[in-house]
Amino acid sequence: GESVGLHLPTLSVQEGDNSIINCAYSNSASDYFIWYKQESGKGPQFIIDIRSNMDKRQGQRVTVLLNKTVKHLSLQIAATQPGDSAVYFCAETFSGGYNKLIFGAGTRLAVHP
Amino acid sequence: DTEVTQTPKHLVMGMTNKKSLKCEQHMGHRAMYWYKQKAKKPPELMFVYSYEKLSINESVPSRFSPECPNSSLLNLHLHALQPEDSALYLCASSHSSGYNEQFFGPGTRLTVL
Repeated sequence: GESVGLHLPTLSVQEGDNSIINCAYSNSASDYFIWYKQESGKGPQFIIDIRSNMDKRQGQRVTVLLNKTVKHLSLQIAATQPGDSAVYFCAETFSGGYNKLIFGAGTRLAVHP
Repeated sequence: DTEVTQTPKHLVMGMTNKKSLKCEQHMGHRAMYWYKQKAKKPPELMFVYSYEKLSINESVPSRFSPECPNSSLLNLHLHALQPEDSALYLCASSHSSGYNEQFFGPGTRLTVL
């Protein structure tokens, strides 16, 4: 069936390094993508979103890249900090989808001092 | 107020009990959601309410009964649950149209004995 998947289940980085979390999606009709961060014992927290009419969007220390040709999404975190340690989920939806979000499997980011 | 609140934070119930989970938001959102999240897995959509009407039921067993009394409140009534229903239950809300992020609550950790 249609799904959103991730290439790496766990990513370990040194504090101060840049992190890249990848996500593949299979529904070519998807036109809105969101990255969420989930810390232990908490609900998912919005990080950044991107619509399919864009290929890049930047926030504070985060950048999302969208490659529609290969159905690939990535989240880049600059100067990773210990507080960035969490599980990161990509999610997709499409206009007319009644706000139905489909989540990817998630990547755990571990930041080491 | 940009929060989604959920009560209780933790719930332990037997298989013959009846209990309810509650969710509240005061952001003026007209779409509200229930998700189920098992350990180390992504959230899975259960129900979507739009303008207080049920718009999506993801083939959820009838032992889960959602209710949306008004635009700010969402309940999930539980009856005759099974141990495999133990999970984190997340509530979310969003604007009902367009490309809008979903705001998640902290969740209710449910254990069924």
